[in-house]
Amino acid sequence: QLQLQESGPGLVKPSETLSLTCTVTGDSISSSSYYWAWIRQPPGKGLEWIGSIYYSGSTFYNPSLKGRVTISLDTSKNQFSLKLSSVTAADTALYYCARDQTPGVVDAFDVWGQGTMVTVSS
Amino acid sequence: DIQMTQSPSSLSASVGDRVTITCRASQSISNYINWYQQKPGKAPKFLIFAASSLQSGVPSRFSGSGSGTEFTLTISSLHPEDFATYYCQQSYSIPRTFGQGTKLEIK
Repeated sequence: QLQLQESGPGLVKPSETLSLTCTVTGDSISSSSYYWAWIRQPPGKGLEWIGSIYYSGSTFYNPSLKGRVTISLDTSKNQFSLKLSSVTAADTALYYCARDQTPGVVDAFDVWGQGTMVTVSS
Repeated sequence: DIQMTQSPSSLSASVGDRVTITCRASQSISNYINWYQQKPGKAPKFLIFAASSLQSGVPSRFSGSGSGTEFTLTISSLHPEDFATYYCQQSYSIPRTFGQGTKLEIK
């Protein structure tokens, strides 16, 4: 059974870089033809797609984050990671990782991690 | 970016009621729309893809319809566990975008 688990610091200072990791169990991210995504949800608000990475390493990102985002794979650990630079209080959110079945018949985020809360504060 | 607008933002209903949530896209997205259910403190749960196809394991009381710019999620007879927030999401183009959510509450 596919499971995803986010991990990383819960508190980041303004202007620093937020770094999170998603550990995937139940499937190999390097051999399955899927994208893997990061999605966030500010407290009490809706969902925002951050970006996705293909098993080959190709990426696409949300332009609203203005080049601050990097998503990468670590196939040896079956993980993928998010780095968001120059954070502000507006980046405070619950961060989810998810499997992104794009493109395809099921073109959706079908399996999600439980989420990890990141607060940006000095 | 494609804007997804849900209505209503909140809805009060009773167990056994039939409810419909609408999602409108700012441009045509064919049938590239998905629906998710989120309960407090939990990750979203994937319900419906391609406007009307139920994900495996989702009860048949859930259904989706629509194409182009207007879509609906219908729950034919509300169960207690259905009270949650529902989100639509377009997979037609990048960036992927979500509706603002519809909170379904117990009357």
